[in-house]
Amino acid sequence: ELKVEQNPLFLSMQEGKNYTIYCNYSTTSDRLYWYRQDPGKSLESLFVLLSNGAVKQEGRLMASLDTKARLSTLHITAAVHDLSATYFCAGDSGGGADGLTFGKGTHLIIQP
Amino acid sequence: DTEVTQTPKHLVMGMTNKKSLKCEQHMGHRAMYWYKQKAKKPPELMFVYSYEKLSINESVPSRFSPECPNSSLLNLHLHALQPEDSALYLCASSQEAAWGNEKLFFGSGTQLSVL
Repeated sequence: ELKVEQNPLFLSMQEGKNYTIYCNYSTTSDRLYWYRQDPGKSLESLFVLLSNGAVKQEGRLMASLDTKARLSTLHITAAVHDLSATYFCAGDSGGGADGLTFGKGTHLIIQP
Repeated sequence: DTEVTQTPKHLVMGMTNKKSLKCEQHMGHRAMYWYKQKAKKPPELMFVYSYEKLSINESVPSRFSPECPNSSLLNLHLHALQPEDSALYLCASSQEAAWGNEKLFFGSGTQLSVL
């Protein structure tokens, strides 16, 4: 059974700073996903990481995957207030349409 | 069209009511999902439909009954719910390929309150 752990679960940071959210998973995962969720809203897909060493970047967010360490990271560069949200990582152990196992989420607050 | 549409957005029901949640996508996806999300918790998988057949039921109580009338529609029928079933119910879809840049597309959710 795939287990996904994120840390930190809560993060308060100032604008302009850099920070990293970590996602560890327990068994082989075919893919690793990052989602963003604003309060009361649905999940927005940020990144899908398919293979070891995969790195994807969009704007101030960059995600990477190390399958040997079973670790994915979401790095935030020069944070801005608009990035305040809850970020979830999720793994897919079944291949195909088996649904995702989500981490508990990282509640990120970026203060001006 | 890259949207997953859920209706209604909000629903309040009593414990004796029968209601249905609806989900629709026109992206040609062959896998559709129901997730339940309690406040400040991660989404939890409830059901997976693959090619209109139920492939995963994550030990969900029988008061939740899914239905997939066709490849574009997914329903969740609700009957005799309990207050602890109050949550955000999310529908999602994916192409259901075991390879490639597959990802799940989520609907905006139905916020359900059971009184």
